[in-house]
Amino acid sequence: QSALTQPASVSGSPGQSITISCTGTSSDVGGYDYVSWYQQHPGKAPKLMIYDVSNRPSGVSNRFSGSKSGNTASLTISGLQAEDEADYYCYSYTSRYSYVFGTGTEVIVL
Amino acid sequence: EVQLVESGGGLVQPGGSLRLSCAASGFTFSSDWMHWVRQAPGKGLVWVSRITNDGRGANYADSVTGRFTISRDNAKNTLYLQMNSLRAEDTAVYYCGRAPLVTAIHNWGQGTLVTV
Repeated sequence: QSALTQPASVSGSPGQSITISCTGTSSDVGGYDYVSWYQQHPGKAPKLMIYDVSNRPSGVSNRFSGSKSGNTASLTISGLQAEDEADYYCYSYTSRYSYVFGTGTEVIVL
Repeated sequence: EVQLVESGGGLVQPGGSLRLSCAASGFTFSSDWMHWVRQAPGKGLVWVSRITNDGRGANYADSVTGRFTISRDNAKNTLYLQMNSLRAEDTAVYYCGRAPLVTAIHNWGQGTLVTV
């Protein structure tokens, strides 16, 4: 159950768009459309931002979008805002009836 | 409003045991799968375990298999994690989570800290 691979950090200026990648294998990300993304501010519980690759829960801004190609999923944040500065984790169901998180990405708003 | 409140964390010696609880409200507890996720200090999220809505199916991360047991009491709207043979590397904040669609954790508790 190796963690999915994410970049350690991604940065952007307010108003810009950024994309966070999440690379797995055909046994997890590539095998199922069951990738979700979580936002976590320091000292807080994670918050669901995207589920099943590209679906947004009610209440989540449409500036957040998700996609997948092969073994890599992506989260895009458009119109970057200061409040988006946080850690982001991807998450996937796996073929072993278990789940795995990504290594996490720190988003820095310049 | 969905609420998940963990309890039972604390300081325990290596080799010891601890039972975490997660009290659920604001939704039909018996309909949803539930998960435990942990986060060591300064580290990332790690999936620990999940249980089906009826309690008959459970899966575990390799790192806790044979030592941790997930269970639930649908009459009491409560999720549990029995942790035995605890090790220093089990030190973490433990979160419970609700998974109404099986594939993602839609709601999270505030977490409870376990220190070994």
